[in-house]
Amino acid sequence: EDKVVQSPLSLVVHEGDTVTLNCSYEVTNFRSLLWYKQEKKAPTFLFMLTSSGIEKKSGRLSSILDKKELFSILNITATQTGDSAVYLCAVVEYGNKLVFGAGTILRVKS
Amino acid sequence: EAGVTQSPTHLIKTRGQQATLRCSPISGHTSVYWYQQALGLGLQFLLWYDEGEERNRGNFPPRFSGRQFPNYSSELNVNALELEDSALYLCASSPWTDRYTFGSGTRLTVV
Repeated sequence: EDKVVQSPLSLVVHEGDTVTLNCSYEVTNFRSLLWYKQEKKAPTFLFMLTSSGIEKKSGRLSSILDKKELFSILNITATQTGDSAVYLCAVVEYGNKLVFGAGTILRVKS
Repeated sequence: EAGVTQSPTHLIKTRGQQATLRCSPISGHTSVYWYQQALGLGLQFLLWYDEGEERNRGNFPPRFSGRQFPNYSSELNVNALELEDSALYLCASSPWTDRYTFGSGTRLTVV
């Protein structure tokens, strides 16, 4: 059965800390890996990764994919309270089905 | 650019009733996807519609069904509601890439 596992399930950090969120997957027909941030309802798109070893960056956030070891990480540097959210990892299979992990709950304390 | 819009925001139904949820994709997006996010569970894939046709379906019973209209908007129908159908139902749309944009969802409560 296809699955996506995120770790840790939750973490609490202080403003200014750097965090690394992990996502491993076992999916039969991998096409791409997506990261989303979910604060209240609508998950908002962060990154789409398709190739190994190429880092995607957006401000303080960055992500990389390892297709050999079947995992991805999402890094957030100089965390702010506004980074508090659930971070979701999803793998896109052929057939346009997204398989989501359970998410990592991040809380940034001021 | 207007985002993905869903209605209603909240819906309360009694067990055994039917619920209808609506979604309008981003203009120009022909594909609409439905996901269920039950409390404590991750998002689960329900349905994918493209060009008016059902293209893929998740592991949900047939009482979860839907359709897509010529203007690419979509309806999700849930028949014979059960208590465990209570969840946030999210709709997403995409262009011909894997960059999916989600709506704010419909919170369905079955009592």
